[in-house]
Parts: sequence; structure tokens; C-alpha cells
Amino acid sequence: GAGVSQSPSNKVTEKGKDVELRCDPISGHTALYWYRQSLGQGLEFLIYFQGNSAPDKSGLPSDRFSAERTGGSVSTLTIQRTQQEDSAVYLCASSRIQGSNQPQHFGDGTRLSIL
Amino acid sequence: QKEVEQNSGPLSVPEGAIASLNCTYSDRVSQSFFWYRQYSGKSPELIMSIYSNGDKEDGRFTAQLNKASQYVSLLIRDSQPSDSATYLCAVNMIRGSTLGRLYFGRGTQLTVWP
Repeated sequence: GAGVSQSPSNKVTEKGKDVELRCDPISGHTALYWYRQSLGQGLEFLIYFQGNSAPDKSGLPSDRFSAERTGGSVSTLTIQRTQQEDSAVYLCASSRIQGSNQPQHFGDGTRLSIL
Repeated sequence: QKEVEQNSGPLSVPEGAIASLNCTYSDRVSQSFFWYRQYSGKSPELIMSIYSNGDKEDGRFTAQLNKASQYVSLLIRDSQPSDSATYLCAVNMIRGSTLGRLYFGRGTQLTVWP
């Protein structure tokens, strides 16, 4: 597709359930990022993939959060045993290559609500 | 000190005025700087990038970079109500092996009133 694609666009689930969020980056983009944004707050970095290198997981808030990227393209962010504080918009972004002059392009996000 | 700091605002200007948005960053060796616009309920949209000292103009937008002062700004001329949004400053920084990661400020909320 032309842009970063995320699914689902909205997800409502009960506390304690696991959720999976999907991101399909722009074709040819090798770097992929996950962020979350709580209501009225800034972007919180979660994790960063670049090609076949080990991901930068320094932003994951707890071991309930994990992410993988298969075949260097699609990524899945998994949240286990969800808590109410996990409610946020989860944004995925991609960039062409790892490098200092490459801007990130964002998807429309997944709005996650934990009841 | 946060890596990237912005005036949290809100900033309110009348239609037709110049809106000035400011950003400072902590890493002196940063090389790439970006401004994103985020409308309420939408995802961030890239509007400007700047890599060298000085000014870069694109339509009504001008980005200004001063690496010695570790300062980057965005000017919006002839502001329109449609410019009302949150503006995010992003800076590429090198932290250990984390090459290429962007650090974002918390954003400045701009309101342009008719």
C-alpha cells in the first residue's frame, strides 16, 4: 500500500486479556517503530526494528509487552494480561533505512481500550 | 534534562499572524530535525525536515536550525484556522548502538482563531 497500515483501527477488550496489534510498513522501508500515545500526552517510544539487527526494546514498559517482525516486513505488538493503564493509541511508523536523515511516516494507529 | 523540549503552550494566534514554535535538544551531535503536525485524533504527519544550519522554507512554513545553540524552530506565516493542531519536534540522536532513532518533544498545541 501507499502508507503504513495498522489493524485493527479500534480494539476494546477486557482487563486481563491478551491483544495483538499489527503493522504493515511502507513497501521498501526497513526500519519500523512502535509508539503509544495516551490521551493528551506525547509520543512514548516502545520498540524499534531495523532490518535483521536486534531490536531496540528499551521503551517497552513491562515484560507484558513484546513485539516481533517477521520477514523484515509486518510487525505484531503483543500485550499480555492487559491492564487499564494500557489504554492508549498505539502508533506504528516506518522509515526507508536506518540513518540520521530518514523521517518516519506514521500509520493511523490502533485505539486500544481496556475495560 | 529531557532530550527534546518544546514549549507546551497552548499557543494562540489570530488568523494571518506568524506562529512561532520552538524546540531545544540535548545532543550536540544531532544531525536531523523534523517537524510533525498532529490534528486531534489523528496520527502525526511530517511537514518539514532540516539538516543544516539556517532557514529552510516550504510554502508558509519556515524551519530554522541553530546547532550551536541546539535550537530548532518552526515559523508559520499567514496562519490559518486549519493550522490549529499540535506540532511535534523530532530529533535524530545517537545513543550507544541506537543509531537513527528519533526523539520527540511533547508537542506545542497551536490554535489559530479567525
